Amino acid sequence: GAGVSQSPRYKVAKRGQDVALRCDPISGHVSLFWYQQALGQGPEFLTYFQNEAQLDKSGLPSDRFFAERPEGSVSTLKIQRTQQEDSAVYLCASSTLQGGYQPQHFGDGTRLSIL
Amino acid sequence: DQQVKQNSPSLSVQEGRISILNCDYTNSMFDYFLWYKKYPAEGPTFLISISSIKDKNEDGRFTVFLNKSAKHLSLHIVPSQPGDSAVYFCAAINRGSTLGRLYFGRGTQLTVWP
Repeated sequence: GAGVSQSPRYKVAKRGQDVALRCDPISGHVSLFWYQQALGQGPEFLTYFQNEAQLDKSGLPSDRFFAERPEGSVSTLKIQRTQQEDSAVYLCASSTLQGGYQPQHFGDGTRLSIL
Repeated sequence: DQQVKQNSPSLSVQEGRISILNCDYTNSMFDYFLWYKKYPAEGPTFLISISSIKDKNEDGRFTVFLNKSAKHLSLHIVPSQPGDSAVYFCAAINRGSTLGRLYFGRGTQLTVWP
């Protein structure tokens, strides 16, 4: 497809389980971002990739969160030992350049619920 | 610390009238601003942007105004249509140092009624 694709759309996990969220950006987009959106809030930055290089991970809330983009296209966000406060919508966005001048295009997100 | 603020969580406007959504920011290093529109269960969709070297940008029914001295921007939708009903997010970038990282407000739910 032409847009950013995220899977799964919905994920339910028990507290303590590990989860993996996938993002397939727009073909050719160099920049890839992950955001976390809690209920009633705006998206909050998690991490940024330029091709396969993770240039900024300052928004990751703890060392339980890990992201990778090994071949510079598909990215995976992994959350280990999930906690209830991890419940949120996780959004992926991509853009053509480093992002400063080009709007980011968002996927529809993965809604994660931790029981 | 919320660097981008949207103080009105909701706005209700009659079809055909003007909708004005407001946004304030605190970081004087922000130099590029964007508005995104979001429908339920979908990701945000880019709507319009403005650089800090301008004070107005227009695209069809949508106009964004920037007042740098007040650190305030607004989105005007004229005329408003029922299909405009969505959550609108204001976002900002410091292009010099954050590699395109967006700082978002909490959003304003716009409802346009017939």
